[in-house]
Amino acid sequence: AQSVTQLDSQVPVFEEAPVELRCNYSSSVSVYLFWYVQYPNQGLQLLLKYLSGSTLVKGINGFEAEFNKSQTSFHLRKPSVHISDTAEYFCAQGSNYKLTFGKGTLLTVNP
Amino acid sequence: DGGITQSPKYLFRKEGQNVTLSCEQNLNHDAMYWYRQDPGQGLRLIYYSQIVNDFQKGDIAEGYSVSREKKESFPLTVTSAQKNPTAFYLCASSIGSGGDYNEQFFGPGTRLTVL
Repeated sequence: AQSVTQLDSQVPVFEEAPVELRCNYSSSVSVYLFWYVQYPNQGLQLLLKYLSGSTLVKGINGFEAEFNKSQTSFHLRKPSVHISDTAEYFCAQGSNYKLTFGKGTLLTVNP
Repeated sequence: DGGITQSPKYLFRKEGQNVTLSCEQNLNHDAMYWYRQDPGQGLRLIYYSQIVNDFQKGDIAEGYSVSREKKESFPLTVTSAQKNPTAFYLCASSIGSGGDYNEQFFGPGTRLTVL
């Protein structure tokens, strides 16, 4: 069974600081990875996805993630965060027609 | 606008009652999913359907039932057998047959509270 681990349940940062949200996935022959964002009391919105190809994936809102096969990691980064980036972030892995989600990381951006 | 709608946004129910959550999509997607979200638990898959008139249990199907009579609709019934139904419920859909690499699109969610 797939297992996705988000290493930090909460990450507080100051506005304009860089941030990294960490995610480890299950090793597999084919790896499909996703990062989603959820604002309070809303559904999830896709930030970016890795299906194949370049290991550096760029997404919306200035986010990017790096696929690392040897470390089975898919960490999400942003060089300078805004107050509006405060939300919960979920890493997910696709397998057997389903997505397995991590438990989420709450990013809080303080002024 | 294409998208997924869930209704109602907030739902209150008395213990022992069944309740049905609505999910409709106009994206022409084949696959649809129901998730339950609890604080600190992430999203857990309840049921999914890859095609009309077919569906499979997810990781936490006990106490829930679904139907898929139309491509656009995938209602979820929370039965009285569900021991702890208070949660945020999310519906999603994906193109094709829901392959591993297909992005899932999410509705706005329904918050169910059992009184």
